[in-house]
Amino acid sequence: DTGVSQNPRHKITKRGQNVTFRCDPISEHNRLYWYRQTLGQGPEFLTYFQNEAQLEKSRLLSDRFSAERPKGSFSTLEIQRTEQGDSAMYLCASSFGGDRGPKLFFGSGTQLSVL
Amino acid sequence: SQQGEEDPQALSIQEGENATMNCSYKTSINNLQWYRQNSGRGLVHLILIRSNEREKHSGRLRVTLDTSKKSSSLLITASRAADTASYFCATVPNEKLTFGTGTRLTIIP
Repeated sequence: DTGVSQNPRHKITKRGQNVTFRCDPISEHNRLYWYRQTLGQGPEFLTYFQNEAQLEKSRLLSDRFSAERPKGSFSTLEIQRTEQGDSAMYLCASSFGGDRGPKLFFGSGTQLSVL
Repeated sequence: SQQGEEDPQALSIQEGENATMNCSYKTSINNLQWYRQNSGRGLVHLILIRSNEREKHSGRLRVTLDTSKKSSSLLITASRAADTASYFCATVPNEKLTFGTGTRLTIIP
């Protein structure tokens, strides 16, 4: 399968714990995006990378959130000291090229539940 | 914040009928895209229309764009049960896609 892969698919954690999600983009894609989606809403942008450089972070991304993309390949999104409000689907997407607004290829997401 | 807003929020039609959903957005755009999302899954790209285009077709899909009204519509013809999903428009006010709130489409067999 050469699509965008996200792991784990589901994560249940207790409030205050740290969690880390992984995203493996399509191999030739240079851009990687993280979005968050709550029930009944559209995806909200969190951050994106071009190769290994993190080019933009949303104001939604508090200092408890950090994302990395070492070597411009896979990416990780870490949430420290989770809160119940962090419960959501975390979606990763990748794209190729430098055009503004390229077509995105999404993974299946990681569903986070904070108890 | 959501850039786009889809209308209606929910739509139920009989299989075989056409489904139309609309998207309004706020700022100037480079392009507008439509995505489909099945329950609990990631989004799948359907079609992209550039700001200098007015209409585009792909299979049973027809998209229109009116930049003067800052609106777009997605028409799905001859609907099938497999079309049941949420549909989102996404615009590019700057470097990244910003999604609307979605239309939940249900096809009744």
